[in-house]
Amino acid sequence: SQQGEEDPQALSIQEGENATMNCSYKTSINNLQWYRQNSGRGLVHLILIRSNEREKHSGRLRVTLDTSKKSSSLLITASRAADTASYFCATDAGGGATNKLIFGTGTLLAVQP
Amino acid sequence: ETGVTQTPRHLVMGMTNKKSLKCEQHLGHNAMYWYKQSAKKPLELMFVYNFKEQTENNSVPSRFSPECPNSSHLFLHLHTLQPEDSALYLCASSPGRGPAGYTFGSGTRLTVV
Repeated sequence: SQQGEEDPQALSIQEGENATMNCSYKTSINNLQWYRQNSGRGLVHLILIRSNEREKHSGRLRVTLDTSKKSSSLLITASRAADTASYFCATDAGGGATNKLIFGTGTLLAVQP
Repeated sequence: ETGVTQTPRHLVMGMTNKKSLKCEQHLGHNAMYWYKQSAKKPLELMFVYNFKEQTENNSVPSRFSPECPNSSHLFLHLHTLQPEDSALYLCASSPGRGPAGYTFGSGTRLTVV
């Protein structure tokens, strides 16, 4: 069953502005990850946050996780045209020998120069 | 290059053809995955291999047949496909133990005519 759902489905902002994307999921998780996909290409791993963490930073990225609400947010600060891409959250429920990620539907971000 | 190489990049095949997709990684990862990405749908996990053993088959039709001869190579054999199988097929790898991000290939764009 689909685990993550991103909100909004599409987002258009001006260069320099901040972009916030949200992800909701349904079951308990071991960790949650965010990925970026440029048009028609493979996904690129951005950041992983474990279930016992509440916030994580990586460069211009800030991720929060609220396990009580089963939600996460990705904030991109000072956006650039090169940030234009689709962004996906993915959840790892753990419990198996292999981490298995279930992806959401994605948010399409357009950053206007 | 991400370290995960998929060939071919594009494939057009008739419904009666037999073809194979190839994925190769030299990252020292032990787990490999096939995902299907169709327009306006979340990425669908198809198969998971861990140390060459298949650990997940997500109710994939038998016209898709995976093969993992070693931890570095993964194939997806295709036969008698349907037009609705047209999609971007993505291969990924991960260390296989513990929480970790995936490394994706650039994908094979498959069109079934």
